[in-house]
Amino acid sequence: DSGVTQTPKHLITATGQRVTLRCSPRSGDLSVYWYQQSLDQGLQFLIQYYNGEERAKGNILERFSAQQFPDLHSELNLSSLELGDSALYFCASSVGNIVSYNEQFFGPGTRLTVL
Amino acid sequence: AQSVTQLDSHVSVSEGTPVLLRCNYSSSYSPSLFWYVQHPNKGLQLLLKYTSAATLVKGINGFEAEFKKSETSFHLTKPSAHMSDAAEYFCVVTGNTGKLIFGQGTTLQVKP
Repeated sequence: DSGVTQTPKHLITATGQRVTLRCSPRSGDLSVYWYQQSLDQGLQFLIQYYNGEERAKGNILERFSAQQFPDLHSELNLSSLELGDSALYFCASSVGNIVSYNEQFFGPGTRLTVL
Repeated sequence: AQSVTQLDSHVSVSEGTPVLLRCNYSSSYSPSLFWYVQHPNKGLQLLLKYTSAATLVKGINGFEAEFKKSETSFHLTKPSAHMSDAAEYFCVVTGNTGKLIFGQGTTLQVKP
């Protein structure tokens, strides 16, 4: 158990809908990262927050947004969902914001299925 | 720009035999390199990392990797495979972008 929690575990929804994925980092970790894992794209970094502020952006679509709240939990919002958004979404957390030096601890993921 | 290539999408070994998972990287800057493991229906776990210290890096569960700048490689090895090693393994690079860039993954199958 990494100490990172993600809810829900599974989510099934329809095209055009909007969903929110939630992540609680390990106690004491200030950075939260979001990743998408799909069969065709592999594992891709989406976005990083550090202590409430956006720190780095990856291949995140404009239909997707995220935020980190004062209690350090984070939410990833996915809107206007398409079939291709079906994937496993991971959250990870680390103490600091320097990716090279801070081990990231991954949550178990949320599996999103868009029908 | 940074990139990473895992040379084998699938590796099959017998229990008790050595494991070699190959990874080549490309980076304009001095890279940090990682190996992560993902067991079925689980999140990723860090096996080991290289951050410009010793070129031979020891990780958890008996795994190690050697950073070879001349070959731009960071292959993962283990002397003796265990059934519990069956999983997906990801080689990861990061440079000056502050982002983790994942390889496509290698599925390790361990046969009894």
